[in-house]
Amino acid sequence: DIQMTQSPSSLSAAVGDRVTITCQASQDISDNLNWYQQKSGKAPKLLIFDASNLLTGASSRFSGSGSGTDFTITITSLQPEDSGTYYCQQYKNLPQTFGQGTKLEIK
Amino acid sequence: QAHLEESGPGLVKPSQTLSLTCNVSGVFIRGSSDYWAWIRQPAGKGLEWIGRIYHDGRVNHNPSLESRVTLSVDTSRNQFSLGLTSVTAADTAVYFCARETLYFATHWGYYLESWGQGTLVSVSS
Repeated sequence: DIQMTQSPSSLSAAVGDRVTITCQASQDISDNLNWYQQKSGKAPKLLIFDASNLLTGASSRFSGSGSGTDFTITITSLQPEDSGTYYCQQYKNLPQTFGQGTKLEIK
Repeated sequence: QAHLEESGPGLVKPSQTLSLTCNVSGVFIRGSSDYWAWIRQPAGKGLEWIGRIYHDGRVNHNPSLESRVTLSVDTSRNQFSLGLTSVTAADTAVYFCARETLYFATHWGYYLESWGQGTLVSVSS
């Protein structure tokens, strides 16, 4: 299985800040990577697909980049509603695998 | 827009079989080019992809669970199901069903676009 490693595991930032979460794959996955946001008690919501494509309707404050093994999601001008846990997911190989998650707290 | 909803027992005894159904509305499974997936999440932990099924019955399983998992689809009822045998406490989790949308951007890809709200299944005697 392809292992996905996210960092940091958690972070705290203030409203208006810019934050970046990284995701590293254990092997080359090209751009076969998606990002999800999960609020407590809810299902994950897709934000970004193919590493850098923003899902229609998702806030433009979210952006993704990367290819191969190293990926990032960046949130600019942080808002209170951005709190939650963020997961990367690879679909290059089956089984699809997720990172362990990054919990974002808004101060 | 697809709406998915999981249903099934919230409590299963150890060694028994966990059975869940996902009812789909807003889109027909039969006419869809998408896969229909199950993902689970133990309390306070990350997401684990269990497997997926196509409308014609083709399946892909997570090898870590493959020997215990059965996926099925009933296009006449527009629903798909998960069976997990010989459950233990380690199978206690929130189980999500999801639509794995096939799309083409610069290449074919998949993403989990629509999710059910999730259902907690506890394994306990």
